[in-house]
Amino acid sequence: AQSVTQPDIHITVSEGASLELRCNYSYGATPYLFWYVQSPGQGLQLLLKYFSGDTLVQGIKGFEAEFKRSQSSFNLRKPSVHWSDAAEYFCAVGVPEDFNKFYFGSGTKLNVKP
Amino acid sequence: GAVVSQHPSRVICKSGTSVKIECRSLDFQATTMFWYRQFPKQSLMLMATSNEGSKATYEQGVEKDKFLINHASLTLSTLTVTSAHPEDSSFYICSARSSSAGTDTQYFGPGTRLTVL
Repeated sequence: AQSVTQPDIHITVSEGASLELRCNYSYGATPYLFWYVQSPGQGLQLLLKYFSGDTLVQGIKGFEAEFKRSQSSFNLRKPSVHWSDAAEYFCAVGVPEDFNKFYFGSGTKLNVKP
Repeated sequence: GAVVSQHPSRVICKSGTSVKIECRSLDFQATTMFWYRQFPKQSLMLMATSNEGSKATYEQGVEKDKFLINHASLTLSTLTVTSAHPEDSSFYICSARSSSAGTDTQYFGPGTRLTVL
């Protein structure tokens, strides 16, 4: 069965510091992988996605993520965090053969210190 | 592009009434839409998959007679919470699957906050 693990529930970083949010998945083949961001009371905004090809993907707002098959990971990174990045971040696995159903991780809440 | 809207954004209703939530893909056609439920400080849980022109498929544990889904067109899916009760209060989010340009991505609506008194 598919599952997505985000081991960090909360992360606090200082503005300007680098950021890495972890995501591990369990899936029999190579899944589609996504990172979304959610601000309080809002829907989800797509940051980036991986389907195939280059394992380092660039997204919006300066985010990038790297797919590592050997580690079943898809960690999200940003070299310099801005106060406006404070939000909740969700990693998701898409199952191509099942209408691309998504399975979400439990989310990581990012706080940014001034 | 790839904008999904939901209406209403907030709704408060009395226990026992029914509430309809609309999900629209504004600039693309979506043969598949999804409905999720999100409890406070929790992740999104998939409730059902809505396919245009056919019956929705529900995830295990979701009551199909309570959460009625209709996907009558390629740009509109509706979720009706029938005989709502306080435990149905939640944040409901829809997404629409876009298969254009060879990619396969879900785009999410802004969500609907349902409060049942």
